[in-house]
Formats: sequence, structure tokens, C-alpha cells
Amino acid sequence: AQKVTQAQTEISVVEKEDVTLDCVYETRDTTYYLFWYKQPPSGELVFLIRRNSFDEQNEISGRYSWNFQKSTSSFNFTITASQVVDSAVYFCALSEKGGSEKLVFGKGTKLTVNP
Amino acid sequence: DADVTQTPRNRITKTGKRIMLECSQTKGHDRMYWYRQDPGLGLRLIYYSFDVKDINKGEISDGYSVSRQAQAKFSLSLESAIPNQTALYFCATSDPTGGGDTDTQYFGPGTRLTVL
Repeated sequence: AQKVTQAQTEISVVEKEDVTLDCVYETRDTTYYLFWYKQPPSGELVFLIRRNSFDEQNEISGRYSWNFQKSTSSFNFTITASQVVDSAVYFCALSEKGGSEKLVFGKGTKLTVNP
Repeated sequence: DADVTQTPRNRITKTGKRIMLECSQTKGHDRMYWYRQDPGLGLRLIYYSFDVKDINKGEISDGYSVSRQAQAKFSLSLESAIPNQTALYFCATSDPTGGGDTDTQYFGPGTRLTVL
């Protein structure tokens, strides 16, 4: 069965610090997708990134970077030089190809960036 | 205009009442989903639909029903609301043929439902 674990329930940092949000997943499928979503205090869910299981290249987008390692079943998310606007709940999610393609979410990590 | 809209955005109702939450999308996606979010539990899938004639139960469908009126519309109903259905409800859409965007789910703004 699919499972996503975000062990960090809450993280608090000071602005300009780097912060890494951990995500560990379980799946029996060889073809799957991993996602990160951001939920700011306003409540909407904002798509950040999608990675398929065959592409282990790390990705950088501005201050955001993602480290996908199949050997450890992890898909970690790093914010460099954090800003107050990064304060949000971040969700990691997994979907398996060929089934419902439903998203299985972790329980989220609440990030607070203090000025 | 938003690609995925949900109405109402907020709703307070009483135990036993029937309530419908509506979702509309202009993304042209075939697949639509309903999730609920509870504090500390992440999001859980209630129902999903791959097209107008294909509707499936998710992991927590008890107490809910859905209707896919058209490709662009997917409604969630609570036939007799109970307090533990108080939650934030999200609709999402995806396109299985979207090339590099395949299977990415895009979410509506959410409906905050309170059942007293």
C-alpha cells in the first residue's frame, strides 16, 4: 500500500535560514509520481513540483530545490534563504500510475519563518 | 478567473441537513476528485471520477455521494450531515494525457464546512 511520511510536524526558522522538509514514501509500484504542494494560511493548495519515478535528477527552481533518492525512498524539499512568505503547510504526496492515480498525502509540515 | 472553482466557500449547517458542495473547472480535464482535509491528517480521498460515466469511491466515501453532471462539474453531497463531517473540502482535477503535466492534480480553493 502507498504511504507518505512527513516526520516533521512543525518547523520554525528565522528568515534567511535554509530549511529542509523531509518526505519518505512507500510504494510497491515501479511507476509512480511524487508531488509537493504548498498550503499558505489562506488555505488554497498550490502545486509546486511533480517528479516521476524514472527521473532521479534533482531540481532547482529559484530558492526551492528537491532531492529525489529512490535508494532511500525520499523526496526532500529545501528552501534556501527562507522568507516570511514561505510560511505555510507543505504536503508531500504520491500517486501510483495505473490505478486511480489518487494522491496519497503525508500529514504535512507546518513551516513558520520568523522575521 | 480561477481554473477550478468551488461553491460555497464557507458553509455552516446543522446536523441532519442535506448539503451540496459544487465544483466547476475550465481546465478541460476529464478527471475530478473530492478530498477532505482534517487538522493533522492531511487530505483524504472521498470520491473520484475519470469521466461523466465513471465514478468511484475513495477511502472515506461513507456518508457522501457525488454527481458528475458534465465534464466540467462534479458535486459532493452530504445526505444527512453530522458534526464529524466538519472539515475543509477540496475539489481537484487532472489530465491523464497532459504530457509533462500528466496526472498533476490542480486544486480548487476549498470549502470550509461546519456541521453543528
